[in-house]
Amino acid sequence: GIQVEQSPPDLILQEGANSTLRCNFSDSVNNLQWFHQNPWGQLINLFYIPSGTKQNGRLSATTVATERYSLLYISSSQTTDSGVYFCAVLYSGGGADGLTFGKGTHLIIQP
Amino acid sequence: DAGVIQSPRHEVTEMGQEVTLRCKPISGHDYLFWYRQTMMRGLELLIYFNNNVPIDDSGMPEDRFSAKMPNASFSTLKIQPSEPRDSAVYFCASSLISSRETQYFGPGTRLLVL
Repeated sequence: GIQVEQSPPDLILQEGANSTLRCNFSDSVNNLQWFHQNPWGQLINLFYIPSGTKQNGRLSATTVATERYSLLYISSSQTTDSGVYFCAVLYSGGGADGLTFGKGTHLIIQP
Repeated sequence: DAGVIQSPRHEVTEMGQEVTLRCKPISGHDYLFWYRQTMMRGLELLIYFNNNVPIDDSGMPEDRFSAKMPNASFSTLKIQPSEPRDSAVYFCASSLISSRETQYFGPGTRLLVL
């Protein structure tokens, strides 16, 4: 099946810092989503971005499908940004229609 | 819309008991997915439905697990009998017309089997 690798696995930053999270995938995809899992365990949709660039406030994401990677940018980090960030993809070559998740990046923003 | 609704939010049960998890997808969504999150395996797909029909249950760990979708607004995931290794967070998700579109996740059910 398709492989999804996220880096870094852990990231500790001070409030106000910027960060870049990376997601590499091993095959072509027709769905790519970024999620934030908050301390209460809820999976919050951040972006649906199988290709191109999107921005939402302090967050933005870019997917370069031809090179099989996606980046999530967080600017001016706040403590509420803490949590685990997941990248999830859907392989475009057929098979099961469920998302394949990476292992996540655990982000801690310190005040 | 209220989003994907799951119940219960927390469940504690004893080994051997039957557990039923419930999900109400977003109205009008044709696809419904059940995922499980554990420390060891991360987030993984268990089963999904298209227009109430199960399409792929290859992710269901064993025969103790079963899922149904009797109508477009309700699905259940049942574990009988439950075992401690079933302890996990179970998420339900739905998408509008195809799995290529955004999948929206419910708040999850945190299951602990003692």
